[in-house]
Amino acid sequence: EIVLTQSPTTMAASPGEKVTLTCRASSSVSYMHWYQQRSGTSPKLWIYETSKLASGVPNRFSGSGSGTSYSLTINSMETEDAATYYCQQGSSYPWTFGGGTKLELK
Amino acid sequence: EVQLVESGGGLVQPGRSLKLSCAASGFTFSNYYMAWVRQAPKKGLEWVATISTSGSRTYYPDSVKGRFTISRDNAKSSLYLQMNSLKSEDTATYYCARHAIRGSFDYWGQGVMVTVSS
Repeated sequence: EIVLTQSPTTMAASPGEKVTLTCRASSSVSYMHWYQQRSGTSPKLWIYETSKLASGVPNRFSGSGSGTSYSLTINSMETEDAATYYCQQGSSYPWTFGGGTKLELK
Repeated sequence: EVQLVESGGGLVQPGRSLKLSCAASGFTFSNYYMAWVRQAPKKGLEWVATISTSGSRTYYPDSVKGRFTISRDNAKSSLYLQMNSLKSEDTATYYCARHAIRGSFDYWGQGVMVTVSS
């Protein structure tokens, strides 16, 4: 099973600040997906195939990475970006998620 | 508009069974792999089961293999999860989700809570 480790677990950012979330895989994967989950709501696909933005996702978000190291970056933090972000690998069974990074507004 | 609506959750005793349902609309259900993903209280996400478009192939992680069964009725645009021999660690919100490219999940239901407790 591929274990995904996200860091940091929790962080706070000020409006306008650049934010980078990291996801590390225990074995190499071909791509990574990211989900945003706001408090009390269902997860939403946010970034797929490492760097492609899902429909409706603002272009201040970007994704990158390869092998065992992937990241999600927000160019300029906005209030609505406060949420928990999960990475997920679909390269091999069982499909697994990272533990999540809770991003708060400072 | 894609909609996934789960039902069937509730409180169940350890060792008992429960069946979840998911009603899909807004897309051609029979064209998509479907899945269940769960989230224990205050915890992260865990993939639980996936079913192929025809229902002929199913996939499970070891944590539920042999206890849970995913199925579908394409005529009714419905997805199901039969959960047997339930354990306290199965307590979670269960989401119905549509599979998209490369194993991702592009639409999620609102979730249904399952509590396993005596």
